[in-house]
Amino acid sequence: SQQGEEDPQALSIQEGENATMNCSYKTSINNLQWYRQNSGRGLVHLILIRSNEREKHSGRLRVTLDTSKKSSSLLITASRAADTASYFCATDVGANSKLTFGKGITLSVRP
Amino acid sequence: NAGVTQTPKFQVLKTGQSMTLQCAQDMNHNSMYWYRQDPGMGLRLIYYSASEGTTDKGEVPNGYNVSRLNKREFSLRLESAAPSQTSVYFCASSARGGIYNEQFFGPGTRLTVL
Repeated sequence: SQQGEEDPQALSIQEGENATMNCSYKTSINNLQWYRQNSGRGLVHLILIRSNEREKHSGRLRVTLDTSKKSSSLLITASRAADTASYFCATDVGANSKLTFGKGITLSVRP
Repeated sequence: NAGVTQTPKFQVLKTGQSMTLQCAQDMNHNSMYWYRQDPGMGLRLIYYSASEGTTDKGEVPNGYNVSRLNKREFSLRLESAAPSQTSVYFCASSARGGIYNEQFFGPGTRLTVL
């Protein structure tokens, strides 16, 4: 079963605009992570936010976490064509480092 | 460092054939994972190994077996391939549990079962 559900499923924006992607989950988490997948490649870790954190930044990425609403958002500022990819949220809910991934968001950034 | 490597990159099997997907990591990670990725389904965990010597089922283990050969290597075996196992398979590893469990992924194996 899918723990994380991303929204929207697909997003198309112009280069330079900001992209906001959302993730909702069902049960309490230890942390939430965002990954990027370029076409035909493996996933790459972007950022991790712990359950006791509310906001985190990494370069042009900003992640927020609202544990009361069981939701997270990923903001990519000043998007570039190279940001075109699929983005996945993943939740860590227990031991053994297992993650549960959502179905992903397809982001297209038009030059 | 090569990170996580997978072989083969592509494979075509006939129904009923068997094969082993190989995965190795050179980051001295304790935990390793096998996922499958199907269109519209995201990644689903097949099996994982929290540490050397242990393996556990994930969300979709039926039709698969795994071996944690040593700390570096974690293989996935399909004993009798079925068309429903056509998918892209990813191996991943992570350093340890708790709050530092970002996963590092291999490039994937594209498997087609005819």
